[in-house]
Amino acid sequence: AQKVTQAQTEISVVEKEDVTLDCVYETRDTTYYLFWYKQPPSGELVFLIRRNSFDEQNEISGRYSWNFQKSTSSFNFTITASQVVDSAVYFCALSLWGNRDDKIIFGKGTRLHILP
Amino acid sequence: GAVVSQHPSWVICKSGTSVKIECRSLDFQATTMFWYRQFPKQSLMLMATSNEGSKATYEQGVEKDKFLINHASLTLSTLTVTSAHPEDSSFYICSAALRDRPLDTQYFGPGTRLTVL
Repeated sequence: AQKVTQAQTEISVVEKEDVTLDCVYETRDTTYYLFWYKQPPSGELVFLIRRNSFDEQNEISGRYSWNFQKSTSSFNFTITASQVVDSAVYFCALSLWGNRDDKIIFGKGTRLHILP
Repeated sequence: GAVVSQHPSWVICKSGTSVKIECRSLDFQATTMFWYRQFPKQSLMLMATSNEGSKATYEQGVEKDKFLINHASLTLSTLTVTSAHPEDSSFYICSAALRDRPLDTQYFGPGTRLTVL
């Protein structure tokens, strides 16, 4: 069975601090996708990144970076120099490749508070 | 990028009434659409998977007679909450997957907040 664990329920940091959101996934499949989504107070999900299981390269996009390690089944997300606008709930998610009926499995989310 | 809309964005109804929520893919054809429910401060839970022209596949524990899903075209899926009760109050989110592509990307709608009095 597939599972996504976000152990951090809620995190508060002061603006400009760096923060890392943890994500650990479980799957027996060798081909899968991993995602991060941001959900601001408005509720609309904002897609941040998709990574397939064959690509373990870390990625950086502005202040955001992602560390994918298959050895530990982790896909962690780091925000550097955090800003108040980063306050949101962040979801890590997993989907399997190829089967059109497959679904995205979401973690429980991490609520991030950036304090001014 | 691909855009998915939902209508209405919020709705308040009396207990016992039925509510229909529309999910449209605006600039692409979506073979598959998904319906999620999100309770306050909780994660998204998949309710059902909807394929155009066929019956929806419901997740375990989701009542198909209560949550009617129709996916009549490649751009529209509807979720009808029949005889709504206060415990059905939730944030309902749909997503759409691009036609003829592996299920690697879902485009999410903005959500519909349902409040049942």
